[in-house]
Amino acid sequence: EVQLVESGGGLVQPGGSLRLSCSASGFTVSSYEMNWVRQAPGKGLEWVSFISRSGVKIYYADSVKGRFTISRDNAKKSLALQMNSLRAEDTAVYYCARSPKEEPFFDYWGQGTLVTVSS
Amino acid sequence: SYVLTQPPSVSVAPGKTARITCGGDNIGSKSVHWYQQKPGQAPVLLIYYETVRPSGIPERFSGSNSGNTATLTISGVGAGDEADYYCQLWDSSSVHWVFGGGTKLTVL
Repeated sequence: EVQLVESGGGLVQPGGSLRLSCSASGFTVSSYEMNWVRQAPGKGLEWVSFISRSGVKIYYADSVKGRFTISRDNAKKSLALQMNSLRAEDTAVYYCARSPKEEPFFDYWGQGTLVTVSS
Repeated sequence: SYVLTQPPSVSVAPGKTARITCGGDNIGSKSVHWYQQKPGQAPVLLIYYETVRPSGIPERFSGSNSGNTATLTISGVGAGDEADYYCQLWDSSSVHWVFGGGTKLTVL
């Protein structure tokens, strides 16, 4: 069974940092692209970042570029999102989402972890 | 970057057919994917490449895409279909993955 489990969310002050993790199981992690997608309270889905199977290709939404860094460790079956210079508008549930090889959609999602940026 | 427009809400009587639209500039030339999100849950892939259903998704869910509008059709709607529905595509010009604003389906 495919499982994606996010962790690392919490309350952080504006300007602070947080590191999210996603632990994957039930599939060969190195065969899939991985993403972070977020959802602000009561709002819609927003794609945040993509990392290719090898980690060579990385893309970010304009809203987080320069502040967030995505990474993966295929040996540890994990994905991470380092979030710096956090703003109130970064408050959201952050989902880890899998994409099949070179496919432009998300076929499995984790349950999400809540990040709250507030003083 | 590319913009996808969905109606905020759609209402339908039980047993009827619901149609949820997703508008975009020449969207018919692009590949569109659909997700269902029930309250408090993570999104679930419903349809990919306009018409393909993942394993386990009922045939009641179907999609189409032409011109400036992609459509998700749900036939024989039941209370269990109440959810938010999102369209999504990959914008090659910006290398961004784009979601529509979402449509809340209410079963009357």
